[in-house]
Amino acid sequence: EAQVTQNPRYLITVTGKKLTVTCSQNMNHEYMSWYRQDPGLGLRQIYYSMNVEVTDKGDVPEGYKVSRKEKRNFPLILESPSPNQTSLYFCASSFGRVYNSPLHFGNGTRLTVT
Amino acid sequence: DAKTTQPNSMESNEEEPVHLPCNHSTISGTDYIHWYRQLPSQGPEYVIHGLTSNVNNRMASLAIAEDRKSSTLILHRATLRDAAVYYCILVGATNKLIFGTGTLLAVQP
Repeated sequence: EAQVTQNPRYLITVTGKKLTVTCSQNMNHEYMSWYRQDPGLGLRQIYYSMNVEVTDKGDVPEGYKVSRKEKRNFPLILESPSPNQTSLYFCASSFGRVYNSPLHFGNGTRLTVT
Repeated sequence: DAKTTQPNSMESNEEEPVHLPCNHSTISGTDYIHWYRQLPSQGPEYVIHGLTSNVNNRMASLAIAEDRKSSTLILHRATLRDAAVYYCILVGATNKLIFGTGTLLAVQP
């Protein structure tokens, strides 16, 4: 089944403890991206990647890192999480140029930083 | 960056058409208009997209104003499963997505 898989679905951590949220897609998509969703703010783009080894900042990249070493994987790294990064995170992928291709979203990772 | 404006919420009756509006008065000539929806506890789901002409697919229709400063997502016959938050999104050639605030659609039986 074609899908975007995020892990874990739920994560509770403490301030400053490095963590990684994984994202994998099995559709051979070139484009991948990360979003966070907060009440009243909708979805905001964190980072995106057009292809392997190519990444760019979205609207809210501060405090996050990403890497794209393989086409199928696009992990989101929080080097030193803070409580304001408590949020619902979504990974998404697209076959081609996202302006003319549907985005496929994962089911989300709910992160709580205490 | 161009932004979108949508009503916070709308209501519809089951099996009736629904017209969800979106204003994007600062849209650029290369921005595509995308619509996604999000059901509770799920990731957003693609609905439809277009550039200048009206578009139809199995899920919905997209009507784009001639000046492209607004668009309307049309669900021809709403069902209870269509209750969701609907996002109107502008996507430019830079591949940077700008999400609107979304419209919470309630469907009454």
